[in-house]
Amino acid sequence: QVQLQESGPGLVKPSETLSLICTVSGYSISTGYFWGWIRQPPGKGLEWIGSIYQSGSTYYNSSLKSRVTISADTSKNQFSLKLSSVTAADTAVYYCARVLGCGTTSCYYFDSWGQGILVTVSS
Amino acid sequence: EIVMTQSPATLSVSPGERATLSCRASQSVSSYLAWYQQKPGQAPRLLIYGASTRATGIPARFSGSGSGTEFTLTISSLQSEDFAIYYCQQYNNWPTFGQGTKVEIK
Repeated sequence: QVQLQESGPGLVKPSETLSLICTVSGYSISTGYFWGWIRQPPGKGLEWIGSIYQSGSTYYNSSLKSRVTISADTSKNQFSLKLSSVTAADTAVYYCARVLGCGTTSCYYFDSWGQGILVTVSS
Repeated sequence: EIVMTQSPATLSVSPGERATLSCRASQSVSSYLAWYQQKPGQAPRLLIYGASTRATGIPARFSGSGSGTEFTLTISSLQSEDFAIYYCQQYNNWPTFGQGTKVEIK
């Protein structure tokens, strides 16, 4: 059974870069599926950030694309999120998840999720 | 961007009763619609995909229907563990979620 676990700093200063890692166990990310990040501001709904396939193709939410980088390290079975120039509006619980697939104009649904990590942007 | 609108925002239901949740898309998403359940302090859990297919391990009391722009999640007989927030998500285009429906105990 696949398990995902987010890790990284819980506090980031405004204008700096938020960096998170998702460690996957029970499944090799180089085998298949896509992998993604979703966030949820406190008390609010869910927002897809982006997804990656193995160490290659990436897919980003257009509203965040200029600030987001998702990469993968298949040797460590991890994928990561970097979000630059953060503001208080980026304060949220960040989830990593397994994605059933992505195409040229869509990414599909998320069938396994990490527990989430709260990242607060504050000086 | 496809906007997903869920109604009602809050649904008060007694245990054992039926709950019907609605999700509307701003344009057709065919059957590319998923439903998730989220309990406080937990990650969302996939319930339904393809508008009507239950995910692995999801009880039969959960059912989904609809296509195009109108979708429904029905919980046939609410159990205590079903009180939570439910989100719909379209994946006909880049993923977007509804704002959620909170199912609370009446």
